[in-house]
Amino acid sequence: TQLLEQSPQFLSIQEGENLTVYCNSSSVFSSLQWYRQEPGEGPVLLVTVVTGGEVKKLKRLTFQFGDARKDSSLHITAAQPGDTGLYLCAGGTNAGGTSYGKLTFGQGTILTVHP
Amino acid sequence: NAGVTQTPKFQVLKTGQSMTLQCAQDMNHNSMYWYRQDPGMGLRLIYYSASEGTTDKGEVPNGYNVSRLNKREFSLRLESAAPSQTSVYFCASRLDPRSYEQYFGPGTRLTVT
Repeated sequence: TQLLEQSPQFLSIQEGENLTVYCNSSSVFSSLQWYRQEPGEGPVLLVTVVTGGEVKKLKRLTFQFGDARKDSSLHITAAQPGDTGLYLCAGGTNAGGTSYGKLTFGQGTILTVHP
Repeated sequence: NAGVTQTPKFQVLKTGQSMTLQCAQDMNHNSMYWYRQDPGMGLRLIYYSASEGTTDKGEVPNGYNVSRLNKREFSLRLESAAPSQTSVYFCASRLDPRSYEQYFGPGTRLTVT
């Protein structure tokens, strides 16, 4: 069974601070996705990384896939109250094969940014 | 284009009652998934359907059944609800067999008393 350990589970910071969320596994993934979920809604995809060492930026959010494709991080610069939400990492293996694109999700990080 | 829709939004059941959660997508996606979300546990896959006419068990299938009625619709049935099935249920779909991106519905919040 593949597991994704996400940390921290809770993060409460002031507006303007920087933060990093980590997603770690002992398993290798073909891709790693980050989703954001707001209360009462389903997760929404932020980014997919597929190459070891890959870095992607989405405005103030920077995503990195580890060289060995076993870990990933999400860094937010100058956090804003609008960044508040649940952040989930999800690892995928062999999309075109028998795994049918099944994802393994981390436990999630609840981020609260105070004005 | 509504994406992935789920009904009902909320439901309260008594132990032993049955119900079906409905999911439909209008994006012509091939694969569909049912997850449950519990505090501190992320999302866990219950069942999935790689294509119309096929279904398979995920990580936590016990106590559930599914039907892939057609390409658009994928339902989840609880035959005899138990308090341990209190959760938020999400349906998702995926288009591209080379991609992992899944599109999620808004969820059904189920309470079993």
